[in-house]
Amino acid sequence: SQKIEQNSEALNIQEGKTATLTCNYTNYSPAYLQWYRQDPGRGPVFLLLIRENEKEKRKERLKVTFDTTLKQSLFHITASQPADSATYLCALPPGRSSYKLIFGSGTRLLVRP
Amino acid sequence: EAGVVQSPRYKIIEKKQPVAFWCNPISGHNTLYWYLQNLGQGPELLIRYENEEAVDDSQLPKDRFSAERLKGVDSTLKIQPAELGDSAVYLCASSYRDPGELFFGEGSRLTVL
Repeated sequence: SQKIEQNSEALNIQEGKTATLTCNYTNYSPAYLQWYRQDPGRGPVFLLLIRENEKEKRKERLKVTFDTTLKQSLFHITASQPADSATYLCALPPGRSSYKLIFGSGTRLLVRP
Repeated sequence: EAGVVQSPRYKIIEKKQPVAFWCNPISGHNTLYWYLQNLGQGPELLIRYENEEAVDDSQLPKDRFSAERLKGVDSTLKIQPAELGDSAVYLCASSYRDPGELFFGEGSRLTVL
């Protein structure tokens, strides 16, 4: 079955630097992949969706890449701010024809002022 | 536009007691999901509805969990009887298209003593 791997260790960076988070998957390449942000005690909030034919997607300070050869997505936050501190979840469908999403365990980002 | 509304936000019960969670999705969203999230983990799908039909309940422990979505709008998730291992956050989400982003509620945090 499809497995999602996200770094379980927190990423600790200085304000103003670029944060890069990794999402690896193990089996087939999904038709799309999504990233969510989750703050403590809150539900996840959708950030970006990238399709398999898109190498890169941007939204303001966020950038997502999707490499189907490496079976990997990278999530970048440029000019990071303390307010970006949260857990970031990667999600993708478990099958080519599936409409449900499975989630990684997330990576916690801490941005120091 | 109102988001996904869940209640109660917090619930503490003793083991073997029943508990129910309620979810009101965003108006017009035909697809509704119930996810379970343990501490430090990503959300895990319990059940997915298309309108009032449960199209994917393979992950729902049917011996003690039940769900319904009457009239294809609000949904209720019930646990009877609750066990210690059921302590978690129960998240409801809705979406209006596939594939598309999920809109999550704030979750219902269950503690079973």
